Amino acid sequence: EAAVTQSPRNKVTVTGGNVTLSCRQTNSHNYMYWYRQDTGHGLRLIHYSYGAGNLQIGDVPDGYKATRTTQEDFFLLLELASPSQTSLYFCASSEKQDTQYFGPGTRLLVL
Amino acid sequence: QQQVRQSSQSLTVWEGETAILNCSYENSAFDYFPWYQQFPGEGPALLIAIRSVSDKKEDGRFTIFFNKREKNLSLHIKDSQPGDSATYFCAASSGSWQLIFGSGTQLTVMP
Repeated sequence: EAAVTQSPRNKVTVTGGNVTLSCRQTNSHNYMYWYRQDTGHGLRLIHYSYGAGNLQIGDVPDGYKATRTTQEDFFLLLELASPSQTSLYFCASSEKQDTQYFGPGTRLLVL
Repeated sequence: QQQVRQSSQSLTVWEGETAILNCSYENSAFDYFPWYQQFPGEGPALLIAIRSVSDKKEDGRFTIFFNKREKNLSLHIKDSQPGDSATYFCAASSGSWQLIFGSGTQLTVMP
């Protein structure tokens, strides 16, 4: 089974702060994704990538940057964090177009 | 505008009953419908999925019933157990890598 890890698991920052969320998958999947989960909205796609150096925009990209440095590593960057970005963030990976494997999530609080 | 809609935010059933979780969608091009199960503190995990060429998919106590004409589907959990208490997400895709998630239904199974 695919292994997806995320760090940190919890993060608190202030408005205007700079935050980097990390994701690593160890099964050499091509696709990686960043989602945010909010009550009433389910999972919403922020950015995704289909390989090292590739980046695609998802459905809610405003205020977020992302970078895929290797096949395994995908980072989500919040350069000027705002309270509206307080959320639970999930990274996922997939090889095929069907099953996505999710990490355990990072809970971010922006004060 | 929600492309995938889950009508109930929460559902409570007694142990041994059949839980029925409903989902509807708008895009006729959707042809793959997975259900993800999420326990507190964890990321979602694929539970069961169906393709639009089928009207039923069964896996143990879990069954998806799919109605293409009405653009809806339901997840039936037979003989519900307290361990089934979780949030269930309906999702859809149209042959691509991207999944569109519903807002989720939180199921509680009372012992």
